[in-house]
Amino acid sequence: SYELTQPLSVSVALGQTARITCGGNNIGSKNVHWYQQRPGQAPVLVIYEDSNRPSGIPERFSGSNSGNTATLTINRAQAGDEADYYCQVWDSRTEVFGGGTKLTVL
Amino acid sequence: QVTLRESGPALVKPTQTLTLTCTFSGFSLSTSAMCVTWIRQPPGRALEWLALIDWEDDKFYSTSLKTRLTISKDTSKNQVVLTMTNMDPVDTATYYCARQVGATGGVDSWGQGTLVTVSS
Repeated sequence: SYELTQPLSVSVALGQTARITCGGNNIGSKNVHWYQQRPGQAPVLVIYEDSNRPSGIPERFSGSNSGNTATLTINRAQAGDEADYYCQVWDSRTEVFGGGTKLTVL
Repeated sequence: QVTLRESGPALVKPTQTLTLTCTFSGFSLSTSAMCVTWIRQPPGRALEWLALIDWEDDKFYSTSLKTRLTISKDTSKNQVVLTMTNMDPVDTATYYCARQVGATGGVDSWGQGTLVTVSS
């Protein structure tokens, strides 16, 4: 079965750029979606199809996908960005989620 | 405005069957590309996908759980039902239903989730 690998945690200084990776075999050939989940809340879609932002998501959020790695980039990180982030793909008739990355804003 | 709401028992006993209902509004499951998906999250752990049903009534299941899961829809009631048999304490989790546009699309609307505890 297909697997997605994310770092357990990423730290970023307030106002700096955070990058969260999602590794998978030839993930560049798939559509990657990213979710933000704040404590006690349902996840929210922040990037779909590699690099598209749903309405209402700040331009500070962007995504890229190539080769074996997809990346979620958060520019000018804010305290409110502190959350868990999950990547997700569709593979072989199943949905696959990464293990999640806890983003800490210092 | 798309909304989804999960309903079902908060507590089930081991070996029992869990039945969860997702009631939604703001879209129709008879519309092309519309899908409803179920995802769960054990306390303090990652998201885990369970099942998806699409507008054509095609059904997709988690490989590891497919023998225990059944998903169905009632388009006239705007409901999707998920059943999971032989519940175990490791199945304790918050269960989410959500909308997805196309099986390969992102999950763009989520219910608030319902916590199901499996305990005798």
